[in-house]
Amino acid sequence: KNQVEQSPQSLIILEGKNCTLQCNYTVSPFSNLRWYKQDTGRGPVSLTIMTFSENTKSNGRYTATLDADTKQSSLHITASQLSDSASYICVVGEQTGANNLFFGTGTRLTVIP
Amino acid sequence: NAGVTQTPKFRVLKTGQSMTLLCAQDMNHEYMYWYRQDPGMGLRLIHYSVGEGTTAKGEVPDGYNVSRLKKQNFLLGLESAAPSQTSVYFCASSSWGNNYGYTFGSGTRLTVV
Repeated sequence: KNQVEQSPQSLIILEGKNCTLQCNYTVSPFSNLRWYKQDTGRGPVSLTIMTFSENTKSNGRYTATLDADTKQSSLHITASQLSDSASYICVVGEQTGANNLFFGTGTRLTVIP
Repeated sequence: NAGVTQTPKFRVLKTGQSMTLLCAQDMNHEYMYWYRQDPGMGLRLIHYSVGEGTTAKGEVPDGYNVSRLKKQNFLLGLESAAPSQTSVYFCASSSWGNNYGYTFGSGTRLTVV
């Protein structure tokens, strides 16, 4: 069964600190892995997309890593800001003609001053 | 450039009523999708379309119908609403071969009483 599991479910950090979010998946055949940021009441917004051959990708203060052998990914946020408070969703794409995606339940990050 | 626009943003229905959710994209994307997001669960695919005039079932299609008469529009219909359809609905679009990027709308919060 294709699954995407994220940890922790929620996280509270102080402004300026770093944090790392985890994602494990069982989706096969694997196509790509994405991290999305979802603000409360808004749709998900793409942060990074990685294919099988990529093991790291950065977008500003966000750096995603991918280990396709162990089927694990992480999202590292550097020097957190209050605006980073959101849900972060790991999404894994399956190699089908339908661009099929499997979504994790997300990690709720709260950055406090 | 509006991206993906969903209407309405909020709606309350009585059990048994019908309604249509509209999704419009101005990026000339071939693929369009309807997802639902429920507490504690990842986004789940309801229906999708790989081009004008085509539709296909996703993971949770029961109780919903869709139409893609124009490339830029993707409609999601509920013929007889049930309380189990209370959810937040997201539309997304993507362009095949565009680094697998999805653009999401801001969502429709539907409550069925």
